[in-house]
Amino acid sequence: AQSVTQLGSHVSVSEGALVLLRCNYSSSVPPYLFWYVQYPNQGLQLLLKYTSAATLVKGINGFEAEFKKSETSFHLTKPSAHMSDAAEYFCAVSNGGSQGNLIFGKGTKLSVKP
Amino acid sequence: DADVTQTPRNRITKTGKRIMLECSQTKGHDRMYWYRQDPGLGLRLIYYSFDVKDINKGEISDGYSVSRQAQAKFSLSLESAIPNQTALYFCATSDLGDSGSYEQYFGPGTRLTVT
Repeated sequence: AQSVTQLGSHVSVSEGALVLLRCNYSSSVPPYLFWYVQYPNQGLQLLLKYTSAATLVKGINGFEAEFKKSETSFHLTKPSAHMSDAAEYFCAVSNGGSQGNLIFGKGTKLSVKP
Repeated sequence: DADVTQTPRNRITKTGKRIMLECSQTKGHDRMYWYRQDPGLGLRLIYYSFDVKDINKGEISDGYSVSRQAQAKFSLSLESAIPNQTALYFCATSDLGDSGSYEQYFGPGTRLTVT
């Protein structure tokens, strides 16, 4: 069975600081991995996805994530946080194929201090 | 206009009432999903549908039912609402993209409160 663990339900950084949100996955088959962002009172929006084309994936708003098979990780980073990055972030895994359903982590709420 | 819409956006109802949440999409996707979001629990899958004639239970289907009226419409019903069904409900759609992954697209959500 697939699963996702997001380390840290809340992360707080200062504006301009590095953002690092951690995600570890479990999958018996090569996974597809996703990061979604949820701004207050909105639905989820795709930030980026890993589909085996490249291990370093660049997404929207300056975010990127690196797939590390040996560590079963897919951590999300951004070099310099902006106030507008304050949101909740969800990591998700899918095994693709004919099933292709997503399993979501419990989310990490990012706060950005001025 | 939004690709995935949900109605109503907010609803307050009483215990024991029947309520329907509706989802419509203009993306032309075959697959549609219903999730509920609770603080600290992430998103949990209630039901999903791969086409009009295919309905599947998700992780937490008890107390819920669905109807896929057309490719573009997928409704979620609570037959007899109870307070622990108070949550934020999301509809999503997906289709097989060029990458081979079923990336999902989400609606804006329905905030349901059961008193």
